Amino acid sequence: DGGITQSPKYLFRKEGQNVTLSCEQNLNHDAMYWYRQDPGQGLRLIYYSQIVNDFQKGDIAEGYSVSREKKESFPLTVTSAQKNPTAFYLCASSIDEVRASDTQYFGPGTRLTVL
Amino acid sequence: QQPVQSPQAVILREGEDAVINCSSSKALYSVHWYRQKHGEAPVFLMILLKGGEQKGHEKISASFNEKKQQSSLYLTASQLSYSGTYFCGTPSGGSNYKLTFGKGTLLTVNP
Repeated sequence: DGGITQSPKYLFRKEGQNVTLSCEQNLNHDAMYWYRQDPGQGLRLIYYSQIVNDFQKGDIAEGYSVSREKKESFPLTVTSAQKNPTAFYLCASSIDEVRASDTQYFGPGTRLTVL
Repeated sequence: QQPVQSPQAVILREGEDAVINCSSSKALYSVHWYRQKHGEAPVFLMILLKGGEQKGHEKISASFNEKKQQSSLYLTASQLSYSGTYFCGTPSGGSNYKLTFGKGTLLTVNP
């Protein structure tokens, strides 16, 4: 079955530690995205990547880093510089541009709790 | 710029209709609608394109107002499974890839 996988579903880390969230897709989509969701805030874009080896900052990129070495994978690292890392993190992908007629499909999410 | 959704929350009885709005200060090129159940990922419902074309869910429709600055999502004969938070996403930031999402509308359908 084609889809987007994120692991793990729940993640706990101590304050000051970096943590990497996994996102893999087998949909053959070119574009991938990372969002953060907090209660009452909707979805906020962290980073996105249009093609392999290329990515752009979203609206709240500070304290995060990404890589896109393979088309299928787009891992997100939450660094110790991120002041409030506890949140629900969602990965998404799209075939191509979403402006006109394509759309994004979401993975199941990872809930990160920093203690 | 983040689109504004209204209402923030709505409660229905099964079988009733609902309308959820998504407004922007600029004309919208397209509007992407999603539904999210608690603790789960958003699920794509439909796209409304600038020419009025719709792609997606059979039982859910949407439209633009005259200036294309507001989209309305129409849920008819609601079912219990329609409960969840509805988000609209609009292209933004001059990028063909970025969507900016509203804060969501919580829909609760009761028996």
